[in-house]
Amino acid sequence: EIVMTQSPATLSVSPGERATLSCRASQSVSSNLAWYQQKSGQAPRLLIYDASTRATGIPARFSGSGSGTEFTLTISSLQSEDFAVYYCQQFHNWPKTFGQGTKVEIK
Amino acid sequence: EVQLVESGGGLVQPGGSLRLSCAASGFTFRSYWMHWVRQAPGKGLVWVSHITSDGSSTYYADSVKGRFTISRDNAKNTLYLQMNSLRAEDTAVYYCTSDISGFFDYWGQGTLVSVSS
Repeated sequence: EIVMTQSPATLSVSPGERATLSCRASQSVSSNLAWYQQKSGQAPRLLIYDASTRATGIPARFSGSGSGTEFTLTISSLQSEDFAVYYCQQFHNWPKTFGQGTKVEIK
Repeated sequence: EVQLVESGGGLVQPGGSLRLSCAASGFTFRSYWMHWVRQAPGKGLVWVSHITSDGSSTYYADSVKGRFTISRDNAKNTLYLQMNSLRAEDTAVYYCTSDISGFFDYWGQGTLVSVSS
């Protein structure tokens, strides 16, 4: 099973600032990586797939990069609605595994 | 508009059974692989089970293998999860989610399963 490790566990950011979230895979997943956003009490929402492609309707301030084992989600200028938990997920091998999440909170 | 609506959750005693349903609309359900993903209270997301678009193949996480059964009815646009021999550690919100290219593009709102005596 591929283990996905996200860092940091919690990221404190002021509105308008840049946020950088990391995700590391225990073995290469090529570009078969997705990012999801989950707000409190809500279902997850797809943000990024194939490591860097924004899903339909996702604002341009969200961007993804990386391949192999190292991936990054960047939120260029945090808006109030972006404070949430973010998960990475690999879909290269079965079982499809998620990271433990990074909580982005207001500083 | 795409909608996935789960139902069937509730409180059940250890060893009991529940059947979850997920009604799909707004997309070509029969073309999509479908999954169940769960989230224990305060915890992260865990993939549980998957079924191919025609229902011919199914896959399970080791933690539920032999106890859970995933199925679908493409005529009714509905996904199911039969859960038997439930344990306290199965307590979670269960989400159904769709998969056309490997990742999970649409998600339901979830249904809570609580296993407790």
